[in-house]
Amino acid sequence: QVQLQESGPGLVKPSETLSLTCTVSGGSISSYYWTWIRQPPGKGLEWIGYIYYSGSTNYNPSLKSRVTISVDTSKNHFSLKLTSVTAADTAVYYCARYYYDSGGYYLPFDYWGQGTLVTVSS
Amino acid sequence: DIQMTQSPSSLSASVGDRVSITCRASQSISSYLNWFRQKAGKAPKLLIYAASSLQSGVPSRFSGSGSGTDFTLTISSLQPEDFATYYCQQSYSTPWTFGQGTKVEI
Repeated sequence: QVQLQESGPGLVKPSETLSLTCTVSGGSISSYYWTWIRQPPGKGLEWIGYIYYSGSTNYNPSLKSRVTISVDTSKNHFSLKLTSVTAADTAVYYCARYYYDSGGYYLPFDYWGQGTLVTVSS
Repeated sequence: DIQMTQSPSSLSASVGDRVSITCRASQSISSYLNWFRQKAGKAPKLLIYAASSLQSGVPSRFSGSGSGTDFTLTISSLQPEDFATYYCQQSYSTPWTFGQGTKVEI
């Protein structure tokens, strides 16, 4: 059974960098797109971006200038960095798996981490 | 960006009721539409993908329909665990976007 687990600081100061890691267990990180999604308290879901296991990335333009997603296949994990954070970045951050193939078949966000709350505050 | 609009934003229902939630995209997304259920304090769970394909392990009381810009999620007989918030999401083009959510309450 595939499991995803987010880890990282739960409190980040304004203007600093938010860093989270998602560790994948029970399955290989290969052949999938690995995504970050966030949800401010009491609000809806926002897609942050994804990384393919080979390293190619795609980011939400609304966050693109501040986001970096990286992958370490040897450790079966991928990471999120969000720079220059403000209170508006306070949210539960989820990692999730996405599958898409060249034939057009896709399976979106079939596995999720449990989410980690990151609060931006001094 | 493709905007996804759900209606209603909330609804009241009872166990055993048939419930439908609609989702409208701001442009055609073919059948690249997915539905998720999110219980309080939990991660979303995939119910339906590609507009009408039932995710493995999801009960058959859930069904999806539609294409182009208009989509519907139907729960044929509401169960206690279905009182939650439901989100639609488009996979047609990035940035992938979600609807604002529909809260199903007792």
